[in-house]
Amino acid sequence: DAGVTQSPTHLIKTRGQQVTLRCSPKSGHDTVSWYQQALGQGPQFIFQYYEEEERQRGNFPDRFSGHQFPNYSSELNVNALLLGDSALYLCASSAGTSGVDEQFFGPGTRLTVL
Amino acid sequence: GENVGLHLPTLSVQEGDNSIINCAYSNSASDYFIWYKQESGKGPQFIIDIRSNMDKRQGQRVTVLLNKTVKHLSLQIAATQPGDSAVYFCAERDGGFKTIFGAGTRLFVKA
Repeated sequence: DAGVTQSPTHLIKTRGQQVTLRCSPKSGHDTVSWYQQALGQGPQFIFQYYEEEERQRGNFPDRFSGHQFPNYSSELNVNALLLGDSALYLCASSAGTSGVDEQFFGPGTRLTVL
Repeated sequence: GENVGLHLPTLSVQEGDNSIINCAYSNSASDYFIWYKQESGKGPQFIIDIRSNMDKRQGQRVTVLLNKTVKHLSLQIAATQPGDSAVYFCAERDGGFKTIFGAGTRLFVKA
């Protein structure tokens, strides 16, 4: 049984470009959350998707958007990239509707913006 | 792998000793708390959780203590092993779906 998978593993972009990151949740999970982790810091919540809709969002600008597909996989899109967007982007999946469900994290996508 | 926790507080313990990692949280409305372990090159891994109606919960070799009066959380690891070396994060939720992570502590286990 595969856990949470993310692609690509690493990505290099230049300022102003757009990027799409992908996440496949653990089998049986229907909820996907995205986090940004800067070097040396804890992950910061970007948003969570459930039933193909964003149901809670953290303190991130509209340049950050997402999507969840009927098979529960998800994409994170970042437009107009800034140097400060360089970070590890983590996807986490969970099951059910309770806020206390255990989250399983993927290995992340390392985004470097030059 | 990823260089997680380059500038984090570090706790260094001898193999076999007990470790205690502390965390202060700020939101008195938080009602659910989680400890995660993050090894280099990997995403955070769930260790143990506790709800606000409890003050202690035990797992395998780990215990979480919650003191709501002073908004303090701790993770105790018994008989620390080299494989426990990692960065540890406490996290909280306030009844919603947003998980807020603390700054993290690097645990280094000396063999």
